[in-house]
Amino acid sequence: AQKVTQAQTEISVVEKEDVTLDCVYETRDTTYYLFWYKQPPSGELVFLIRRNSFDEHNEISGRYSWNFQKSTSSFNFTITASQVVDSAVYFCALSEGGNTGFQKLVFGTGTRLLVSP
Amino acid sequence: DSGVTQTPKHLITATGQRVTLRCSPRSGDLSVYWYQQSLDQGLQFLIQYYNGEERAKGNILERFSAQQFPDLHSELNLSSLELGDSALYFCASSVGEHHGNTIYFGEGSWLTVV
Repeated sequence: AQKVTQAQTEISVVEKEDVTLDCVYETRDTTYYLFWYKQPPSGELVFLIRRNSFDEHNEISGRYSWNFQKSTSSFNFTITASQVVDSAVYFCALSEGGNTGFQKLVFGTGTRLLVSP
Repeated sequence: DSGVTQTPKHLITATGQRVTLRCSPRSGDLSVYWYQQSLDQGLQFLIQYYNGEERAKGNILERFSAQQFPDLHSELNLSSLELGDSALYFCASSVGEHHGNTIYFGEGSWLTVV
């Protein structure tokens, strides 16, 4: 069965610190997709990134970067120079579905990031 | 703004009642999904529709039902409501039906059952 583990329940940092959110996944599929979503206090789920299992290069988008390592089944997310607006719950998710014409996202339990000024 | 529109944003209702949550997917998206977020269960997949047809079911209760209409909007019907149904219900959409599509979520509908 697919499983996503976000072991860090809550992280508190001071503004401008770098922070890494961990995500470990389990799947038997050879082709799979991983996602990160942000849920700010207002409640909406905001898409951040999608990565397929064949693409192991690291991604950088502004202050955000992602480190995908198949060898350790991890897809970690780093925020550089954190800001108060980064305070949110961050979810890692694994896509289940194969080629059978459906898609389910299996979510981790989320990591609450609190950035204080 | 993801482009997925959900109504109502907040809803308070009594136990035993029935409610309907509505969703308009992003323009061009054919797949619609419903997810439930509760404190004890986290984010759970409920159901997926693609172009009007049901594609997959998750842990959706028999008291809940959904449909996707020809104009691609979707409704989630929750009946015989219980206190435990209080949750944030998300609608989401994607272009295609297969896994790997990027799924965009709406702002959610907060349901409180009293």
